[in-house]
Amino acid sequence: EPEVTQTPSHQVTQMGQEVILRCVPISNHLYFYWYRQILGQKVEFLVSFYNNEISEKSEIFDDQFSVERPDGSNFTLKIRSTKLEDSAMYFCASSEAWGEGDEQFFGPGTRLTVL
Amino acid sequence: KNEVEQSPQNLTAQEGEFITINCSYSVGISALHWLQQHPGGGIVSLFMLSSGKKKHGRLIATINIQEKHSSLHITASHPRDSAVYICAVPHSGYALNFGKGTSLLVTP
Repeated sequence: EPEVTQTPSHQVTQMGQEVILRCVPISNHLYFYWYRQILGQKVEFLVSFYNNEISEKSEIFDDQFSVERPDGSNFTLKIRSTKLEDSAMYFCASSEAWGEGDEQFFGPGTRLTVL
Repeated sequence: KNEVEQSPQNLTAQEGEFITINCSYSVGISALHWLQQHPGGGIVSLFMLSSGKKKHGRLIATINIQEKHSSLHITASHPRDSAVYICAVPHSGYALNFGKGTSLLVTP
């Protein structure tokens, strides 16, 4: 069964460093998402991406964050200068189509620890 | 923003018990999602429903669009059902707004 994959599973970085989290969405999906979950808190939406551009972003997704689809398969989230509060689990998701009724499939997550 | 409230926050049950988790939301939607988060952190989609009831194995999800309420039921619960169950609703066409989750522990 097709699945969303994410690498790495765990990333440890020093405050101020840049990190890139990678995702491979399901191959025929057109819509891609990043969510994050700070330990002990609920999952929060960061950004959605379609047709090589951001379709929506939350207030969390400030200038320190960027997303890219560098090739036909990868979808990346970059954090330019990490802060302690960026420590969280980051989930990538993808869906086949747009709309409230379309199921999103989640990757296993990348646990980011900022020291 | 579509506010999502889940209850209970935590639930402990004995193996075999019938379990109900509730979800209420503030803005009318066309579909609601139930997800399961494993102890390791991974998220799995259980149901997406827009009306009535859906059943998958021992899991049943119902939704009342008019009352803005959904329930997730687990029949004959088992320790392997222990997980966090999350209700999520769209707050736009693209993003999901998640509830805080219900942490379920099923003991043998």
